[in-house]
Amino acid sequence: QKEVEQNSGPLSVPEGAIASLNCTYSDRGSQSFFWYRQYSGKSPELIMFIYSNGDKEDGRFTAQLNKASQYVSLLIRDSQPSDSATYLCAPDNTDKLIFGTGTRLQVFP
Amino acid sequence: DAGVTQSPTHLIKTRGQQVTLRCSPKSGHDTVSWYQQALGQGPQFIFQYYEEEERQRGNFPDRFSGHQFPNYSSELNVNALLLGDSALYLCASSSGLAGASPLFFGPGTRLTVL
Repeated sequence: QKEVEQNSGPLSVPEGAIASLNCTYSDRGSQSFFWYRQYSGKSPELIMFIYSNGDKEDGRFTAQLNKASQYVSLLIRDSQPSDSATYLCAPDNTDKLIFGTGTRLQVFP
Repeated sequence: DAGVTQSPTHLIKTRGQQVTLRCSPKSGHDTVSWYQQALGQGPQFIFQYYEEEERQRGNFPDRFSGHQFPNYSSELNVNALLLGDSALYLCASSSGLAGASPLFFGPGTRLTVL
């Protein structure tokens, strides 16, 4: 079992829709969870982090965490073409971040 | 506020050569982590430096080594380059060990091994 699993996609959604990105992780000891966005040819940039079970909202982004199910998700409301990128999930693993392969999101006009 | 910087931006080497990549962390950060990202893959953890010591290491051979200087900047060295070492090498900094605080990435160094 991989440490972090994400559907590689692409996930295609129309402009204005909600994009739902999912991630499962294997380390039950993970306490912190980070979502990064990576545009093609660029480095990852942090968009959200969550430490507690439940939801955390920041603008159009909502991170959801369920530690019992070892599941973390990212919702993007009112998706825009500029949101088209790869989204990387990264739980901490004994003081280092382990990344999934990422989900490629395509938002079409 | 200067972010994470890396040099060089691009590098072309041949098999068997050695390469050194450099990284300066974001102002106020004291921890540097290095990742390798192959095309279509997520970043793979190489190692992490804190207080000038290697604190964590991923599943990479000893050909990969590093160093952290007193000013928190860091180098990644790769010896005996293989074609499979071609990748984007990312440096990320944090305040303290990663996990408790988020990583901030530099622009990366694109290494091509011919």
